[in-house]
Amino acid sequence: SYELTQPLSVSVALGQTAKITCGGDNIGSKNVCWYQQKSGQAPVLIIYRDDIRPSGIPERFSGSNSGNTATLTISRGQLGDEGDYYCQVWDSDSVIFGGGTKLTVL
Amino acid sequence: EVQLVESGGGLVQPGGSLRLSCAVSGFTFSNSAMNWVRQAPGKGLEWVSTLSDRGDTTYYADSVKGRFIISRDNSDNTLLLQMDSLSAEDTAVYYCAKVELWFGENYFYYMDVWGKGTTVTVSS
Repeated sequence: SYELTQPLSVSVALGQTAKITCGGDNIGSKNVCWYQQKSGQAPVLIIYRDDIRPSGIPERFSGSNSGNTATLTISRGQLGDEGDYYCQVWDSDSVIFGGGTKLTVL
Repeated sequence: EVQLVESGGGLVQPGGSLRLSCAVSGFTFSNSAMNWVRQAPGKGLEWVSTLSDRGDTTYYADSVKGRFIISRDNSDNTLLLQMDSLSAEDTAVYYCAKVELWFGENYFYYMDVWGKGTTVTVSS
């Protein structure tokens, strides 16, 4: 079955740029979305179809997808960006989630 | 305002059953695919099941296939999840979410609105 691999944790200095990767076999051929989940809250969609931001999501969040890696980029990191981030695709009649990445803002 | 409100969670003994509901408002429910996602304590997100807008196509994770049934009542704007033969591994927060999907060329699938979740605990 298809697998998505994310780093367990990523840290970023306040105001700097964080990149969270999502690895999968030829993931560039799939449409990837990203969710943010803050502590104790439900997930929120922040990127869909690789690089589209839903209404209300700041421009600081951007996505890209090529080859075997999709990337979520968070520019000008803020304390409010801390939380868990999940990538997700559809494959073989199943929803596949990455294991999640915990973002810490220092 | 788009809202999804889950209910029906609780404590159940191993081998028991539970039925979850998700009441929807603020969008045309009958035009939307829906799904359930769960999250065990301290763990990541796990997809459970998806149901098409008309209710005629279902998808299930292997971990729940044969035990869970997803359904919907489009007249009542409600998504349901019947869970049977529950075990401790089913303990989780269960979220319902509205799904945007396209299974044609350049297919995509994402969940654009989520409920706050309902907690299911399977324990004796």
